[in-house]
Amino acid sequence: GAVVSQHPSRVICKSGTSVKIECRSLDFQATTMFWYRQFPKQSLMLMATSNEGSKATYEQGVEKDKFLINHASLTLSTLTVTSAHPEDSSFYICSAIDSRQGYTFGSGTRLTVV
Amino acid sequence: GQNIDQPTEMTATEGAIVQINCTYQTSGFNGLFWYQQHAGEAPTFLSYNVLDGLEEKGRFSSFLSRSKGYSYLLLKELQMKDSASYLCARGGGGSQGNLIFGKGTKLSVKP
Repeated sequence: GAVVSQHPSRVICKSGTSVKIECRSLDFQATTMFWYRQFPKQSLMLMATSNEGSKATYEQGVEKDKFLINHASLTLSTLTVTSAHPEDSSFYICSAIDSRQGYTFGSGTRLTVV
Repeated sequence: GQNIDQPTEMTATEGAIVQINCTYQTSGFNGLFWYQQHAGEAPTFLSYNVLDGLEEKGRFSSFLSRSKGYSYLLLKELQMKDSASYLCARGGGGSQGNLIFGKGTKLSVKP
């Protein structure tokens, strides 16, 4: 079945540093990937839509200069949280659409900024 | 989450049946999804309804009424491992095909 591999699963970083999260589609090509963020007891909120070979589309209120998205190939999208602050601590998760199985989620990344 | 409403928490007994309701804004509707999510893990797909009616899949069933903007997830023969959050999500209606999630219903199954 369609698999999206997301790394790292957990990361702790110091305030002011940057963190890169990777999502790879392992057995299908993902021209579009979605990046979500989930705070405790909250819903998954769409941050941005990543499109292969073009600029990402960001949701209202999401700073594109802070959350850098790169989708350079049909199987890899990356989200870089720049100059991280404690309020960026959250669960970040990507998903992609496979033509056979529909939406497939990565395993998520728990980011803690100290 | 963007006019998708579902109860915050529910409690049920092992072996029982529980129904989790979800109401959503009907404009731009593009299918209704149910996901199971254990704490700290990715959502796991349970069901997808695009037409009215009941879809049954083992112990889990999902119902949709498009005119009412209403869906429910029915879990039968509850097991302890069913303790999790259950997320209702609808197609966003946007050109990119993203999902819009409700806040989730935390189900606790007790012996």
